[in-house]
Amino acid sequence: DAKTTQPNSMESNEEEPVHLPCNHSTISGTDYIHWYRQLPSQGPEYVIHGLTSNVNNRMASLAIAEDRKSSTLILHRATLRDAAVYYCILRIGNTPLVFGKGTRLSVIA
Amino acid sequence: IAGITQAPTSQILAAGRRMTLRCTQDMRHNAMYWYRQDLGLGLRLIHYSNTAGTTGKGEVPDGYSVSRANTDDFPLTLASAVPSQTSVYFCASSASFGGGPHNEQFFGPGTRLTVL
Repeated sequence: DAKTTQPNSMESNEEEPVHLPCNHSTISGTDYIHWYRQLPSQGPEYVIHGLTSNVNNRMASLAIAEDRKSSTLILHRATLRDAAVYYCILRIGNTPLVFGKGTRLSVIA
Repeated sequence: IAGITQAPTSQILAAGRRMTLRCTQDMRHNAMYWYRQDLGLGLRLIHYSNTAGTTGKGEVPDGYSVSRANTDDFPLTLASAVPSQTSVYFCASSASFGGGPHNEQFFGPGTRLTVL
């Protein structure tokens, strides 16, 4: 199984950008990189996904390294509501999501 | 739009008792999943169903069973609950099974189960 490595926790000041890193050195050519987040006392929710090119949506941006062995989720202006656990996940073939421990993001007012 | 609903929200259960956690989705998704989440850990897949009438085992299936009689419902049953099954249980669904690029999984609000 391809796996991801994320820092256990990160901290950010409100209104500042946040860069959440993820290493996935064993990624294969057809694996998509997905990010989900889990707000306190809620189920996970989809954030963004990508394959090779950088991606933007209303929630975040995803920057993927040229060799695809790492990626970075970018929250452009962190708010208190962005405090959550962020999961970087590789979608491998015909399999459901496999969650690691993720990165717990704290946002300081 | 309700999305995914789970019931009950929380439950305290005596060990040895039988319990069914309910999950219903109104998105006509083919695939459904059950995960458990324990303190300090990520979500672990218990069982899944890629379409009505079929089910499969996930990472931690022992002690649990599922059925998928129709598209909308995916109940999870603990035949004889044990304290190690104390956890938060999340149901999820997706349009189709597996890792397609746009195959987002939608999660329910969870059921907090305590087995004493």
